[in-house]
Amino acid sequence: ELKVEQNPLFLSMQEGKNYTIYCNYSTTSDRLYWYRQDPGKSLESLFVLLSNGAVKQEGRLMASLDTKARLSTLHITAAVHDLSATYFCAVVDDLNTGTASKLTFGTGTRLQVTL
Amino acid sequence: DTEVTQTPKHLVMGMTNKKSLKCEQHMGHRAMYWYKQKAKKPPELMFVYSYEKLSINESVPSRFSPECPNSSLLNLHLHALQPEDSALYLCASSPSDFGSSYEQYFGPGTRLTVT
Repeated sequence: ELKVEQNPLFLSMQEGKNYTIYCNYSTTSDRLYWYRQDPGKSLESLFVLLSNGAVKQEGRLMASLDTKARLSTLHITAAVHDLSATYFCAVVDDLNTGTASKLTFGTGTRLQVTL
Repeated sequence: DTEVTQTPKHLVMGMTNKKSLKCEQHMGHRAMYWYKQKAKKPPELMFVYSYEKLSINESVPSRFSPECPNSSLLNLHLHALQPEDSALYLCASSPSDFGSSYEQYFGPGTRLTVT
């Protein structure tokens, strides 16, 4: 069974500083997604990483994927208050059973940016 | 139209009621999903429909009954729920149920409270 772990679970960030969230997963997969969720809201897609070495950047966020290490990172540059939210990584589990693939979510990292 | 819609936004129901959640997408996606999310937890997959056929049921209790009347519509029928079923129910869709066209787009969710 695919397990996806994120760390840290909670991150208190100071405005202007840089931080990294880690997403580790337990079985082979070459597709990983990052989502953002604001309190009480749905999931907003941030990044789609489809191959080893993929790197995507949007504003102050940059995501990368190392399929050999089974690791993705989400790097935050010069944190600002607007980035406060919960961030989930999600890994595709192809199951290899002839059925549809499954998306398994990480535990989530709650980011709080303080002045 | 590039969004997934869900109705109702909020639902309060008693343990003896029967109610339904509705999800709709007009992006031509062929796979649709139901997730359950408890507070401060990641979404948990409940059901996957692929080309209008149920392809994954994650051992969900029979008091939850999914239905896919056509490729754009997904329902979740609720009957005799328990208070612990109170959660945010998220619907998602993706172009395909496997491969690189697997990015899932989430609806806004239905906040369900069982009294």
